Amino acid sequence: DQQVKQNSPSLSVQEGRISILNCDYTNSMFDYFLWYKKYPAEGPTFLISISSIKDKNEDGRFTVFLNKSAKHLSLHIVPSQPGDSAVYFCAATSQGGGSQGNLIFGKGTKLSVKP
Amino acid sequence: DSGVTQTPKHLITATGQRVTLRCSPRSGDLSVYWYQQSLDQGLQFLIQYYNGEERAKGNILERFSAQQFPDLHSELNLSSLELGDSALYFCASSVDGTGNSPLHFGNGTRLTVT
Repeated sequence: DQQVKQNSPSLSVQEGRISILNCDYTNSMFDYFLWYKKYPAEGPTFLISISSIKDKNEDGRFTVFLNKSAKHLSLHIVPSQPGDSAVYFCAATSQGGGSQGNLIFGKGTKLSVKP
Repeated sequence: DSGVTQTPKHLITATGQRVTLRCSPRSGDLSVYWYQQSLDQGLQFLIQYYNGEERAKGNILERFSAQQFPDLHSELNLSSLELGDSALYFCASSVDGTGNSPLHFGNGTRLTVT
């Protein structure tokens, strides 16, 4: 039973355009969400996060939107660059609950940004 | 460089054997996490330690065990290995174990069971 779902295994966009990566979750106890980026042969690296008390968080070219009622979040990358080509993982956790901070990850979306 | 060191990078072993994966967390981080990534799967949480004590358990098999030592490095022991245990095993560390701080991942150990 997947609690965090990334339904698009892959996404291809043109350099300079917007990349939108989507993530859905089922556990209403989740209150903190993160995006990680992973290059081949490397571990995931933290990209951006959002608390459930917010609906948007921005960091440079990266913006995460949270829609709690729909249990949906998305990562927007504007403008997309070839160096953004990687696998993006959505993750969620319950900060105050029994998960004690461990993250539940989606299966990832492979983003390809074409020059 | 995340500052998290995992050894070895690659491990090839036979079914039924036992292996130990090692992780050194970032300097100053007290919490260590172990994750498993099988083919076409997301990262599955196995276990978390905080300052030497087990903090949370995920989908960790009984054949697997882990510990965190006084110097905060951690080891994941996998025994009676099966073909299905072939995967990438990631270690991550964070300053605390609450989820308030992001996890920093090592580059993983790729285990192949033949």
